[in-house]
Amino acid sequence: DAGVIQSPRHEVTEMGQEVTLRCKLISGHNSLFWYRQTMMRGLELLIYFNNNVPIDDSGMPEDRFSAKMPNASFSTLKIQPSEPRDSAVYFCASSSGGQGFGSPLHFGNGTRLTVT
Amino acid sequence: SQQGEEDPQALSIQEGENATMNCSYKTSINNLQWYRQNSGRGLVHLILIRSNEREKHSGRLRVTLDTSKKSSSLLITASRAADTASYFCATQNTGGFKTIFGAGTRLFVKA
Repeated sequence: DAGVIQSPRHEVTEMGQEVTLRCKLISGHNSLFWYRQTMMRGLELLIYFNNNVPIDDSGMPEDRFSAKMPNASFSTLKIQPSEPRDSAVYFCASSSGGQGFGSPLHFGNGTRLTVT
Repeated sequence: SQQGEEDPQALSIQEGENATMNCSYKTSINNLQWYRQNSGRGLVHLILIRSNEREKHSGRLRVTLDTSKKSSSLLITASRAADTASYFCATQNTGGFKTIFGAGTRLFVKA
């Protein structure tokens, strides 16, 4: 089991550029979560999917952020245009939970984004 | 917005001592989970306790849940230097999916 795989591990970009973060879920998992972690705000849930369908995107900070699941095993988080305040570590996590059943999340090692 | 709030924010103990971290939350939950994060890494799941359970053990970990007070505690017994990390509680709501993390407790275990 390769675990949740995120790429890139580090991304440095200039303000105004488009940034795409990628995540490969664990095979067989059907829920996908995107989080952002900063010292000031801690771990913020941005959006989560179940069976490829976005369930709750209320944590997405602005329209500049978008997330997709083009298939059951892959997700992207896009920021366009990026701003310095978007600098953070972005995590994706997957789980095998179904409706009403709790299940642990499996995290990737994150993408550290720096916007200058 | 964060669901859980941990205290203390930071804890420094000697190897061999017990470490206790607390978590409070605001809304009804399906379960509460504890995670650990080492510096520069993703979070790792430690233990899950369901809303109808009061206590759970896993190795040196003991978790309690008091739904009437909306609080949980994580006890790590006989701590080791390798336990140095940040510990987070997370709640999953009764709908099952939404998983919200608290601010975390930074634990430092001195050898």
